[in-house]
Amino acid sequence: DQQVKQNSPSLSVQEGRISILNCDYTNSMFDYFLWYKKYPAEGPTFLISISSIKDKNEDGRFTVFLNKSAKHLSLHIVPSQPGDSAVYFCAASQITGNQFYFGTGTSLTVIP
Amino acid sequence: DVKVTQSSRYLVKRTGEKVFLECVQDMDHENMFWYRQDPGLGLRLIYFSYDVKMKEKGDIPEGYSVSREKKERFSLILESASTNQTSMYLCASSPYRPLPKQETQYFGPGTRLLVL
Repeated sequence: DQQVKQNSPSLSVQEGRISILNCDYTNSMFDYFLWYKKYPAEGPTFLISISSIKDKNEDGRFTVFLNKSAKHLSLHIVPSQPGDSAVYFCAASQITGNQFYFGTGTSLTVIP
Repeated sequence: DVKVTQSSRYLVKRTGEKVFLECVQDMDHENMFWYRQDPGLGLRLIYFSYDVKMKEKGDIPEGYSVSREKKERFSLILESASTNQTSMYLCASSPYRPLPKQETQYFGPGTRLLVL
């Protein structure tokens, strides 16, 4: 059973606008969440993370929001750039655990 | 800089062949993982290992086995390749938890396997 879900397989956004990628999880024991970015023919690379003691974490153009009560997190990219076009995976784990659970990915296309 | 390398970027094999995918990491990480990535299915965990000679089944271990004889190397073996094992295979490593700071997984570039 998929414990981490990304319900939007794809998203298109104009350059300069905001991209919002969403992720839901079912396991209330998860307390550490990550976003990865993946280009074709490359491995995923870590983008940003957040622990459950926070509800927001920001790194440059990337902000992750966590709503624990809704078991929902989102990644905001502002402003979006063509180089952001990639597949984005969210992942979840327990801080004391060693396994990461991934969503199915959202393919973001930023249109110049 | 963490480096995870995989022995091949592209591989073409025939049905029934035994296939070895090798992964090496240089950060002395305890944990190593094998995933496959398929469109619409995301990253699915095949096997992981948290120590030499230790292995744990992931979500889809059927048709696969693994070997971890040295800490830096984790091999994925397809005992008898089948067409439904055509996929992108991704290796990852991470330090063993719990840790004083949060950590992430580091991925290799992937091996795209085609089974004919």
